[in-house]
Amino acid sequence: AQKVTQAQTEISVVEKEDVTLDCVYETRDTTYYLFWYKQPPSGELVFLIRRNSFDEQNEISGRYSWNFQKSTSSFNFTITASQVVDSAVYFCALSDRSNDYKLSFGAGTTVTVRA
Amino acid sequence: EAGVTQFPSHSVIEKGQTVTLRCDPISGHDNLYWYRRVMGKEIKFLLHFVKESKQDESGMPNNRFLAERTGGTYSTLKVQPAELEDSGVYFCASSQDRGLGSYNEQFFGPGTRLTVL
Repeated sequence: AQKVTQAQTEISVVEKEDVTLDCVYETRDTTYYLFWYKQPPSGELVFLIRRNSFDEQNEISGRYSWNFQKSTSSFNFTITASQVVDSAVYFCALSDRSNDYKLSFGAGTTVTVRA
Repeated sequence: EAGVTQFPSHSVIEKGQTVTLRCDPISGHDNLYWYRRVMGKEIKFLLHFVKESKQDESGMPNNRFLAERTGGTYSTLKVQPAELEDSGVYFCASSQDRGLGSYNEQFFGPGTRLTVL
């Protein structure tokens, strides 16, 4: 069964619009970690954030914010006032003990920000 | 401290040829992982080394892929013979070993983009 679901395949917005990327995860572990990564056109994987299952506080970092809700098994990511440089594929990932902490990635959401 | 490095950054080969990708983990990291993203799909786990031993190779797609980590330092991933569907970005990650069942943060390399023509 898929452990991480990113239902949105592609999102296209105009610059300065907000973008929210959905991520739903599945695990039976009580201790787990959630991540967001960005893969720009150049191909490298850029780490954005890690949250552990015991910390449900939302986080804001500049134009990025994350909403972690254990009740709905979701870890959504919002880009505020998007810029062209935000165009990339964004991956949500899960790391849990039952999977020996190897990362399980979602299918990714391609974000295109148009000028 | 140097991060995870991968070589080459980009490789273009023809179908049927052999390619070897290399990953140098962060010094002192016993865990080494290979992942790959084929075009348009999710990033998938390939295998996990603990030092020189293969801990988990459940993600290796077929026997055309051979991973080694001699001496528990750098690792190579050989594809022989390469097929068109092998095109994608191959990522390597490493982490420290804090004991069985403990979380170890993985640090990713820049990836190798493989194009099979």
